[in-house]
Amino acid sequence: GENVEQHPSTLSVQEGDSAVIKCTYSDSASNYFPWYKQELGKRPQLIIDIRSNVGEKKDQRIAVTLNKTAKHFSLHITETQPEDSAVYFCAATYTGFQKLVFGTGTRLLVSP
Amino acid sequence: NAGVTQTPKFRVLKTGQSMTLLCAQDMNHEYMYWYRQDPGMGLRLIHYSVGEGTTAKGEVPDGYNVSRLKKQNFLLGLESAAPSQTSVYFCASSPIHLAGYNEQFFGPGTRLTVL
Repeated sequence: GENVEQHPSTLSVQEGDSAVIKCTYSDSASNYFPWYKQELGKRPQLIIDIRSNVGEKKDQRIAVTLNKTAKHFSLHITETQPEDSAVYFCAATYTGFQKLVFGTGTRLLVSP
Repeated sequence: NAGVTQTPKFRVLKTGQSMTLLCAQDMNHEYMYWYRQDPGMGLRLIHYSVGEGTTAKGEVPDGYNVSRLKKQNFLLGLESAAPSQTSVYFCASSPIHLAGYNEQFFGPGTRLTVL
């Protein structure tokens, strides 16, 4: 079935540390994997995405890796800052690429 | 451009009342979506539309109806509200991408409480 599992559900790090969030998906046909950041009381905002023809993508302090064989992808945040504190959601395309299925979210807390 | 907008921002209903949530987008996107967000459960798809005049069920469609009479608008209706429908509702839209890269843009959300 359509499923995206996300771990961990909560993650606490010290400022300057790295944070890693992992997701697995079930449909081998999925070809697009976005990551959204949601601050308290705000809408989800796309921060980075990766397509199935790429193994890794970087944008400043954030990077995403994709392992199609194992059907998992990960978000890496380096040199974390307090403003990185938020809930992060992974997602994968399903059903003819017309919709996304989201993970249950990871609450990241970066302590000064 | 305003992007994706939602009306209203907040609403309190009594059990059994009805209401309609309005989503509008000015990006000429083909696809539109309604999600609900509950603590610890992420974003769950209620209904979606791949074009004007078409709708489809998502993961949690029971108790909701939708309509897409105009390309830029997607309405979510609750005919008889129940306390279990207390949630934050997000609308999203995405353009068609030939390769299927479904990049979704979200509205600001509607916080609904059913007493």
